[in-house]
Amino acid sequence: QKEVEQDPGPLSVPEGAIVSLNCTYSNSAFQYFMWYRQYSRKGPELLMYTYSSGNKEDGRFTAQVDKSSKYISLFIRDSQPSDSATYLCAMSEWPDSWGKLQFGAGTQVVVTP
Amino acid sequence: EAGVTQFPSHSVIEKGQTVTLRCDPISGHDNLYWYRRVMGKEIKFLLHFVKESKQDESGMPNNRFLAERTGGTYSTLKVQPAELEDSGVYFCASSPADRGEQYFGPGTRLTVT
Repeated sequence: QKEVEQDPGPLSVPEGAIVSLNCTYSNSAFQYFMWYRQYSRKGPELLMYTYSSGNKEDGRFTAQVDKSSKYISLFIRDSQPSDSATYLCAMSEWPDSWGKLQFGAGTQVVVTP
Repeated sequence: EAGVTQFPSHSVIEKGQTVTLRCDPISGHDNLYWYRRVMGKEIKFLLHFVKESKQDESGMPNNRFLAERTGGTYSTLKVQPAELEDSGVYFCASSPADRGEQYFGPGTRLTVT
């Protein structure tokens, strides 16, 4: 069983809709949670990061962490065609092995005009 | 501020040859990481430097891979001799001291024929 599970999609939504992405994990030691956006043939771009549980909002993006359920989410409001990309969740333990990110497989998102 | 840079962007070598990848982290970042993504798989951790010291090299696949970080600045990853299964995209990332969020470079696409 993988430590981080993420549905690869593709997830297709119309422009202006809310994009809802999620990951589940099995390692209860994970404390640091990140979301990355990756365009084709580019490197992952850090979107959001949270430590431990709770919500974090930045512009159109909201990240949620539910450690009791081992479940994290990313919501993108008012989606735009430029949001079409692969979204990766990543997480690490803290403080042991804190630099070792475990990635999900990535979810491909397509926002149609 | 310049981001993480990697060189070359693409390398094609024959099995048995040697290849050296270079990474320049964001200026002032003490932490430097190497990851790779092979076809159809998740991004996997290789190792983590804190300044010039190896903090965690648990992800290095075998002794054909050698990573160095001269003077705590740029880093090189040498593969010698290269095998077919080494093909993939090699990413470098960096983060500030005592911070978990990692910023990735564009990657080096390695093809071993």
